Amino acid sequence: QQQVKQSPQSLIVQKGGISIINCAYENTAFDYFPWYQQFPGKGPALLIAIRPDVSEKKEGRFTISFNKSAKQFSLHIMDSQPGDSATYFCAASKEGGSEKLVFGKGTKLTVNP
Amino acid sequence: NAGVMQNPRHLVRRRGQEARLRCSPMKGHSHVYWYRQLPEEGLKFMVYLQKENIIDESGMPKERFSAEFPKEGPSILRIQQVVRGDSAAYFCASSTSMGETQYFGPGTRLLVL
Repeated sequence: QQQVKQSPQSLIVQKGGISIINCAYENTAFDYFPWYQQFPGKGPALLIAIRPDVSEKKEGRFTISFNKSAKQFSLHIMDSQPGDSATYFCAASKEGGSEKLVFGKGTKLTVNP
Repeated sequence: NAGVMQNPRHLVRRRGQEARLRCSPMKGHSHVYWYRQLPEEGLKFMVYLQKENIIDESGMPKERFSAEFPKEGPSILRIQQVVRGDSAAYFCASSTSMGETQYFGPGTRLLVL
């Protein structure tokens, strides 16, 4: 049973465009939703995270939008740059993140110059 | 402050051999998580440990796999009698006792011939 569904599987945008990646979860006990960025051959790096008591969180060019009733959350990358080309994973966890992370299958983002 | 350290970074084993993967958490972190990533897949939780205790091993295969986090020294993920299907990237993450953010290491890429 896949508890976190991520789409699209791959995404190509032009430099300066907006990249949008969506995730949906099933378990209403999840209360911590991080996004990780992974470059080839590297470990995942935390990008931004949100808790369900807020509907949006912004850090620089990265924004998480959260819809608790729909059990969906999304990552928006504004002014996308070639250096943003990586695989992005959404995840969910219970107990504020101290329990295991359940990951989506990832989105491979390519930003063309 | 050094990040999460994993070694070896690459490990080649023949079928039937043992693989030992080591993880040193970030300084001040007492919680360790192990995840496995198959090619083109998201990360799958394996086990969650605190010093000298296994907290959650719901993602560990029942046979051949074991993990420990001793009072002194790194956490060890041990795979006995490896098979080709064990070929994957194994990531370790650590967090503080307060939980939330899990910081990932660079991973160990295991190849079973």
